[in-house]
Amino acid sequence: EDKVVQSPLSLVVHEGDTVTLNCSYEVTNFRSLLWYKQEKKAPTFLFMLTSSGIEKKSGRLSSILDKKELFSILNITATQTGDSAVYLCAAIIQGAQKLVFGQGTRLTINP
Amino acid sequence: NAGVMQNPRHLVRRRGQEARLRCSPMKGHSHVYWYRQLPEEGLKFMVYLQKENIIDESGMPKERFSAEFPKEGPSILRIQQVVRGDSAAYFCASSPMAETYNSPLHFGNGTRLTVT
Repeated sequence: EDKVVQSPLSLVVHEGDTVTLNCSYEVTNFRSLLWYKQEKKAPTFLFMLTSSGIEKKSGRLSSILDKKELFSILNITATQTGDSAVYLCAAIIQGAQKLVFGQGTRLTINP
Repeated sequence: NAGVMQNPRHLVRRRGQEARLRCSPMKGHSHVYWYRQLPEEGLKFMVYLQKENIIDESGMPKERFSAEFPKEGPSILRIQQVVRGDSAAYFCASSPMAETYNSPLHFGNGTRLTVT
């Protein structure tokens, strides 16, 4: 069965800290990996990673994929209270029009 | 260009009633996906539809749940005889083409169903 596992499930840090969120996957016919940020409403898209070893960056957020070890990390530097959210990763299955999501990491940034 | 629109935002039903959730895809999109999110969990795929066709319903419970995407109008997810375990957030996404791996899915704001 296709599976995506995120760790930690919950993380509390102080504003200004750097955090690393983990996502490992075991899926057949893996195509790409997505990261989403979910506050109270819809998950909003952050990154799509298809190639191994190529870092994607957007401001203080960055992410990288390791297709050999089957995992991805999401880094957030100089965290702010607005970064508090649930971060979801999802695997795209080649040839199937669906995403397999992890259970999410709940990140809380305290001032 | 409006995003994916879902309504209602919140829906309360008593056990045994029917719930109807609606999703209007982004303009020009003919592919719709429904996902369910139970409390403290990630999203789980339910069904993928194109106009007038169900393509993949492998994530749908076998009973009480149905989905449609008619030629005109929004996609509807229907849950008959709701039970407390159906309480969840239901998200819809749409895409202009079948290859979701070429562009990420963008989700609506969801319908939060509460069964009392």
